[in-house]
Amino acid sequence: EAQVTQNPRYLITVTGKKLTVTCSQNMNHEYMSWYRQDPGLGLRQIYYSMNVEVTDKGDVPEGYKVSRKEKRNFPLILESPSPNQTSLYFCASSHPGGTGYTFGSGTRLTVV
Amino acid sequence: RKEVEQDPGPFNVPEGATVAFNCTYSNSASQSFFWYRQDCRKEPKLLMSVYSSGNEDGRFTAQLNRASQYISLLIRDSKLSDSATYLCVVKAGGTSYGKLTFGQGTILTVHP
Repeated sequence: EAQVTQNPRYLITVTGKKLTVTCSQNMNHEYMSWYRQDPGLGLRQIYYSMNVEVTDKGDVPEGYKVSRKEKRNFPLILESPSPNQTSLYFCASSHPGGTGYTFGSGTRLTVV
Repeated sequence: RKEVEQDPGPFNVPEGATVAFNCTYSNSASQSFFWYRQDCRKEPKLLMSVYSSGNEDGRFTAQLNRASQYISLLIRDSKLSDSATYLCVVKAGGTSYGKLTFGQGTILTVHP
């Protein structure tokens, strides 16, 4: 089944404790992206990647890092999480010129 | 001004009603347009692309007015299962990997 898989689905952590949210797709998509969704603000892009070893900032990259060492994986790293990073996170992927994204099921992160 | 603006609603309609959602976008260079559907706490899923000539998929009709930078979605004969948040999405032009920018979403509740 074609899908984007995120882990974990739910995570509660403490301020400053480094964490990684994994994202993997099995559709051989070149383009991958991370979004966060907050009430009243909608979905905002954090980082995106056009292909292996090619990443760039989205609209809200502060406090996040990404890497794209393999085509299928695009982990999101929070080196020192803060409470304002409490949010619902989505990973998505697409073919070049694709008509839309396939989204993962989301990761609900709470930083206390 | 937000790049993509939608009336957040909520829209509360009875089964069988016709309901229309509107969306405006600010970037005149935008290339592609979509409506996504998002159920509570789940990932967004592509509902339909929006073409300049307008397009229909069953009970759903999408329209695009490039001159006015306006997109619409019409749902006829509403079903209970149509209850969701509808996201207006615009894809940037100039690259095959165009970034998707999401509106905040319009909440629809269809009641018996």
